[in-house]
Amino acid sequence: AQSVTQLGSHVSVSEGALVLLRCNYSSSVPPYLFWYVQYPNQGLQLLLKYTSAATLVKGINGFEAEFKKSETSFHLTKPSAHMSDAAEYFCAVSAAGGGADGLTFGKGTHLIIQP
Amino acid sequence: DAGVTQSPTHLIKTRGQHVTLRCSPISGHKSVSWYQQVLGQGPQFIFQYYEKEERGRGNFPDRFSARQFPNYSSELNVNALLLGDSALYLCASSLSLAGTYEQYFGPGTRLTVT
Repeated sequence: AQSVTQLGSHVSVSEGALVLLRCNYSSSVPPYLFWYVQYPNQGLQLLLKYTSAATLVKGINGFEAEFKKSETSFHLTKPSAHMSDAAEYFCAVSAAGGGADGLTFGKGTHLIIQP
Repeated sequence: DAGVTQSPTHLIKTRGQHVTLRCSPISGHKSVSWYQQVLGQGPQFIFQYYEKEERGRGNFPDRFSARQFPNYSSELNVNALLLGDSALYLCASSLSLAGTYEQYFGPGTRLTVT
């Protein structure tokens, strides 16, 4: 069984500042980890994924995340926030090598960008 | 190429009624998954179908059912609607079973039960 905890339901940063969204996971098997973004009234868009290759994963729109097994974390970062980054962000986990049980999502973090 | 499409975009139903939601996957994708997203929460896995067979099921009552057609499109059916079924229903497609392969999400169907 897997689970995901996203710390902070809302995160507010100034435009140009560092973005850090936290995700911790629990998995009884090696996990695959994902970050998705959801804009208002839209579906989810994949930002990046970790599938047991490089622990530092680069995604779209300047985002990246680092898999830390010892900390069971997969935090999302972006060096400089842009107004267009304002959205809901979801961390998700699935069982490596499996996947029939779909993705398990966290509750999401609403990212607010202050001008 | 077109992305994942879902229909209808919105619908309003009354408690006790039945609803059918439809999903067309990206061309070439053989797996379709359904998720329920209640307002303010992350999506919850309902079903995954691959090659027209149910391969995974989340913790949802038997009122929820689905099927996948030979062209890989899919339907989600919900019987005896409850107020708590009000949510955004998301369909996702992937090349094969989700996990290794990315899931691409559609825009969703917003269901309101009154």
